[in-house]
Amino acid sequence: AQSVTQPDIHITVSEGASLELRCNYSYGATPYLFWYVQSPGQGLQLLLKYFSGDTLVQGIKGFEAEFKRSQSSFNLRKPSVHWSDAAEYFCAVTYSGAGSYQLTFGKGTKLSVIP
Amino acid sequence: GAGVSQTPSNKVTEKGKYVELRCDPISGHTALYWYRQSLGQGPEFLIYFQGTGAADDSGLPNDRFFAVRPEGSVSTLKIQRTERGDSAVYLCASSPLPLSGRVGSTDTQYFGPGTRLTVL
Repeated sequence: AQSVTQPDIHITVSEGASLELRCNYSYGATPYLFWYVQSPGQGLQLLLKYFSGDTLVQGIKGFEAEFKRSQSSFNLRKPSVHWSDAAEYFCAVTYSGAGSYQLTFGKGTKLSVIP
Repeated sequence: GAGVSQTPSNKVTEKGKYVELRCDPISGHTALYWYRQSLGQGPEFLIYFQGTGAADDSGLPNDRFFAVRPEGSVSTLKIQRTERGDSAVYLCASSPLPLSGRVGSTDTQYFGPGTRLTVL
């Protein structure tokens, strides 16, 4: 069964510092990878996605992520964090041939930002 | 344009009662998904509709849970004989995946704000 691991439950960074959130997925021939952000009381908003091609993908709000097949990873990065980035971040995966393309999510990483 | 909407935003019920949760997908989206998010967890897949039919209901936890999408647009998630363990946020998502989607193709799922269900 497909699975996603986000090893960091909670991360705290200072405003202006760089950020990297880790995500590892279980092996799949052709993974489709996503990062979503969830603010309190809000729905999930898509930050970026990887289907194929260039392994470095750019998303909204200045976020980027890099797909590394050899490490089964899809880490999210941002060079300079803003206070408004405080939220919970979810990595998700689905696979070619998964039929319903149901997403499997990690447990999330909560990001706190110190002013 | 309008995103995915869900009603009610909050639902409090008593153990043993029946509840219905509604999802209005983005207009024209043929694929619709229900997920459940328990406290401190990521969303977990419940059921997927392609048009009017439930193409994959493998995530429904038991036969107390049922969902319909009779006209291929609005969907209702129905929970019978609710239990305290059903308390969670129920999320709906829709996707423009076409009925004849190519093998290997997929598309972005757009999520609604969720319904927070509390079973007392």
